Amino acid sequence: GAVVSQHPSWVICKSGTSVKIECRSLDFQATTMFWYRQFPKQSLMLMATSNEGSKATYEQGVEKDKFLINHASLTLSTLTVTSAHPEDSSFYICSARLSGTYEQYFGPGTRLTVT
Amino acid sequence: AQKVTQAQTEISVVEKEDVTLDCVYETRDTTYYLFWYKQPPSGELVFLIRRNSFDEQNEISGRYSWNFQKSTSSFNFTITASQVVDSAVYFCALSEVDTGRRALTFGSGTRLQVQP
Repeated sequence: GAVVSQHPSWVICKSGTSVKIECRSLDFQATTMFWYRQFPKQSLMLMATSNEGSKATYEQGVEKDKFLINHASLTLSTLTVTSAHPEDSSFYICSARLSGTYEQYFGPGTRLTVT
Repeated sequence: AQKVTQAQTEISVVEKEDVTLDCVYETRDTTYYLFWYKQPPSGELVFLIRRNSFDEQNEISGRYSWNFQKSTSSFNFTITASQVVDSAVYFCALSEVDTGRRALTFGSGTRLQVQP
């Protein structure tokens, strides 16, 4: 079946530093990937839509200069949280859409803690 | 705009009880997909079902069943003979096709606790 991986699965970083999260579709091509954020005991909220070879589309209220998204290939999208602050601590989940279909597959998530 | 409502924040049942999780959605699209996901404490989303807007047939998969009613914009999920392993947060989600919004809009989730 279609598998999406995320790396790292958890990360602790200091305030002011940047952290990169990778989302990979392991056995299929994904022209579109999505990044969601989930705060404790809350739902998943879409942050941005990442399209291979083009700029990401950000949801209202999400700072594009703070959350840098790069989708350089059909199997990899990265989310970089720049100048992280404690309020960025959250669970970040990506999903990848199988090209040409409406099927999406979620990664296992990355838990970010900013101290 | 699209919206998914899960009015039940938390449900607690005793093992072997049946439980229904409610989901009501709003969309202007005529073509859309509805989903249910399970999120155990590990955080990883477990896909349960996807249903397109043209398929109103109810579905049963083992102890799980889904009731899709377009007339009431509902897509409810029933667990029969619940088990402790069913304890998790369950999310209903919507993906619109006509507007091209392929990302999922999630409900707020229902936390299910199954007591032994």
